[in-house]
Amino acid sequence: AQKVTQAQTEISVVEKEDVTLDCVYETRDTTYYLFWYKQPPSGELVFLIRRNSFDEQNEISGRYSWNFQKSTSSFNFTITASQVVDSAVYFCALRNGGGGADGLTFGKGTHLIIQP
Amino acid sequence: NAGVTQTPKFQVLKTGQSMTLQCAQDMNHEYMSWYRQDPGMGLRLIHYSVGAGITDQGEVPNGYNVSRSTTEDFPLRLLSAAPSQTSVYFCASSWATGIQETQYFGPGTRLLVL
Repeated sequence: AQKVTQAQTEISVVEKEDVTLDCVYETRDTTYYLFWYKQPPSGELVFLIRRNSFDEQNEISGRYSWNFQKSTSSFNFTITASQVVDSAVYFCALRNGGGGADGLTFGKGTHLIIQP
Repeated sequence: NAGVTQTPKFQVLKTGQSMTLQCAQDMNHEYMSWYRQDPGMGLRLIHYSVGAGITDQGEVPNGYNVSRSTTEDFPLRLLSAAPSQTSVYFCASSWATGIQETQYFGPGTRLLVL
């Protein structure tokens, strides 16, 4: 069985602070994929990143960065210089190998509140 | 290119009624799936399909049926609605290789069962 844990239910920071959202996963597969999604108050799900289990390089995209560590089964997401528009629920998700065939296992989400 | 569309956006049902949630995509994606989102639970997989004519169960399939007669459409049927099926339903479609992935979610259908 696979599982994704997002221990932080809600995080509140002041604008311009850096914030890290934690994600810990469990899987028996050696090939798997990890994802982050953003769900703003409007409700849609926005794809942020996909990382496969063979690529442990950290990734940076503007103010967003991701730290993938297989040794601790973690795939953490950091927002640098947070902005009010970053306020949303963020989901970490896992899919085992096999391309896009089967569905995703989601964590319960972290509600991020950026205060002006 | 409309992406993933879902209809209706909002529906109220009485217990025992049946209905079909529609999902369509125009990106020629082979993979489609249905999720439900409940407060504090994240998204849970209901059913998924790897291509026309092929479907399989996800984590919470009970009370739901699906079919995939075409690549474009993946309807979700509630046979006899129950209050426990009150939720927001998301349809997704995706295309993936070992290196790249493109995944899209529809805007969601909010369902209330009284």
